[in-house]
Amino acid sequence: AQSVTQLDSQVPVFEEAPVELRCNYSSSVSVYLFWYVQYPNQGLQLLLKYLSGSTLVKGINGFEAEFNKSQTSFHLRKPSVHISDTAEYFCAVSERGYQKVTFGIGTKLQVIP
Amino acid sequence: SAVISQKPSRDICQRGTSLTIQCQVDSQVTMMFWYRQQPGQSLTLIATANQGSEATYESGFVIDKFPISRPNLTFSTLTVSNMSPEDSSIYLCSVEWQGPGEQFFGPGTRLTVL
Repeated sequence: AQSVTQLDSQVPVFEEAPVELRCNYSSSVSVYLFWYVQYPNQGLQLLLKYLSGSTLVKGINGFEAEFNKSQTSFHLRKPSVHISDTAEYFCAVSERGYQKVTFGIGTKLQVIP
Repeated sequence: SAVISQKPSRDICQRGTSLTIQCQVDSQVTMMFWYRQQPGQSLTLIATANQGSEATYESGFVIDKFPISRPNLTFSTLTVSNMSPEDSSIYLCSVEWQGPGEQFFGPGTRLTVL
């Protein structure tokens, strides 16, 4: 069975500073990996995805993530955050061949002016 | 992209009553999903709803408590039956879009049970 661990429930960071949100997954088969973002009082929207190919994937709003198979990680990074990045970020995994997506508990990113 | 709307956006209900949540998509989609997002917790999949077939429920969720309808390719409903305060949560519908695992989500329905 697949599972996702987001070690940091909250991450405060000053505006224009870099940020990394950590995600580790567990699965016995090949996976697809995702990061979703949920802005206050809104639904989730896809930030970026890894399906295959290059392990470094770029998403919207300047975010990127790197798939590391040996460490079973998919950490999300941004070199310089903005106030508008304040939101909750969810890492998710889906096993190839199955439609079910398992979400992590979420990391609340708070950007401090 | 898909545009998904949910009704109601929020509601406050009494214990023992039922609430039906509607999910409308602006495109025809095969698979729709219903999730629950409880305070401080992640999204938990309740069931998968394919048009023309019975919904598939995840472990811990049963049809008597969460009946789902999927009458066509753009619409679905989730009913939360015989509610208790433990059912207070945000309920989200989503659709699979473009690729495996990639989902578009509705804005959610915030349910409070007193």
